[in-house]
Amino acid sequence: RKEVEQDPGPFNVPEGATVAFNCTYSNSASQSFFWYRQDCRKEPKLLMSVYSSGNEDGRFTAQLNRASQYISLLIRDSKLSDSATYLCVVNMFGVTGGGNKLTFGTGTQLKVEL
Amino acid sequence: DAGVIQSPRHEVTEMGQEVTLRCKPISGHNSLFWYRQTMMRGLELLIYFNNNVPIDDSGMPEDRFSAKMPNASFSTLKIQPSEPRDSAVYFCASTALGLAYNEQFFGPGTRLTVL
Repeated sequence: RKEVEQDPGPFNVPEGATVAFNCTYSNSASQSFFWYRQDCRKEPKLLMSVYSSGNEDGRFTAQLNRASQYISLLIRDSKLSDSATYLCVVNMFGVTGGGNKLTFGTGTQLKVEL
Repeated sequence: DAGVIQSPRHEVTEMGQEVTLRCKPISGHNSLFWYRQTMMRGLELLIYFNNNVPIDDSGMPEDRFSAKMPNASFSTLKIQPSEPRDSAVYFCASTALGLAYNEQFFGPGTRLTVL
């Protein structure tokens, strides 16, 4: 089983739609969680961290369910510029040997269309 | 502020040649990571350093790969001899140690093609 699993997509949605991505992780000792965004032929960049209480940043909402080892990202009122690959990321920080070691899912591709 | 700097941006070489990739982390960051990204396997961590010391190299595929960090502002990833299956995008990233939610900043990557 992969440490971080995501549906690869692609998700093709019309502009203005709401879209949700899910991610599961296998190691219950994981400490911190993120969504990174990667545009075509570019480097990954942090989109948002994911906190236990859930958090929102504009049109983006992230949720964490530690009991189910599940992370989600909701994008409301999607824009053409949201088209990218969204990477679910887990950090074993603080666990012996984990350090700042991030484990990336393979990404979910989003295409927002007119 | 300059971000993570990688060179070269593109490298095309022939099988059997030595390849050296270079990275300059963000000033003040004390943790550096080398990743490899392919369509088939996604983004994989190869090795990371804390305070210039290699901490985990379990992702290095085989002895043909080696990485060094001689000082806080420079790291290299070397492949010798290179093989066509090494073709990928290699990213370097850096962060500051100490907090679980510290962001990792990625360089633009080196796109390696081994013929």
